[in-house]
Amino acid sequence: ELKVEQNPLFLSMQEGKNYTIYCNYSTTSDRLYWYRQDPGKSLESLFVLLSNGAVKQEGRLMASLDTKARLSTLHITAAVHDLSATYFCAVGPSGNTPLVFGKGTRLSVIA
Amino acid sequence: NAGVTQTPKFQVLKTGQSMTLQCAQDMNHNSMYWYRQDPGMGLRLIYYSASEGTTDKGEVPNGYNVSRLNKREFSLRLESAAPSQTSVYFCASKEGTFETQYFGPGTRLLVL
Repeated sequence: ELKVEQNPLFLSMQEGKNYTIYCNYSTTSDRLYWYRQDPGKSLESLFVLLSNGAVKQEGRLMASLDTKARLSTLHITAAVHDLSATYFCAVGPSGNTPLVFGKGTRLSVIA
Repeated sequence: NAGVTQTPKFQVLKTGQSMTLQCAQDMNHNSMYWYRQDPGMGLRLIYYSASEGTTDKGEVPNGYNVSRLNKREFSLRLESAAPSQTSVYFCASKEGTFETQYFGPGTRLLVL
């Protein structure tokens, strides 16, 4: 059974600082996704990572995937308040089986 | 395109009442999903439909039923609501195996 663990679950960081959110998963997978959720809102797709060594960047966020280590990271560079949200990673088992989501990392960026 | 739409947005039920949550997508996606989101639990899959005419149980199917009415619509029914079903329900859809999922705005359900 695929298990997905994110850490940390809560993160309070100062504006301008860098930090990394980690997503570990327990079995082989060929697809990993990152989503963002603002309070009271739905989930919005951020990144799709489909191969070992894949790296995607959007603004101050960069996601990477190491399939051998079964690890994805979401790196935040020079955080700003607008990045405050909950970030979820989701991993797809083999084939077209449904994604398994981590519990989410609630990020709060403070001045 | 409206994307994924859900109705209603909010609902209050009494224990034992029934209701159906509606979901529709206009992106011609094959797969559709129902999740529930509870504090500290992430998203848990209730049921999914990999294609029109098929449905399968997810992680937490007890107390729910689904219908894939056609390619666009996927409904979730609570036959006899219980307080433990108080949650936020999200519908999602996607096209192919490697595509990302698109989520609806959610339905906030309170069962008293």
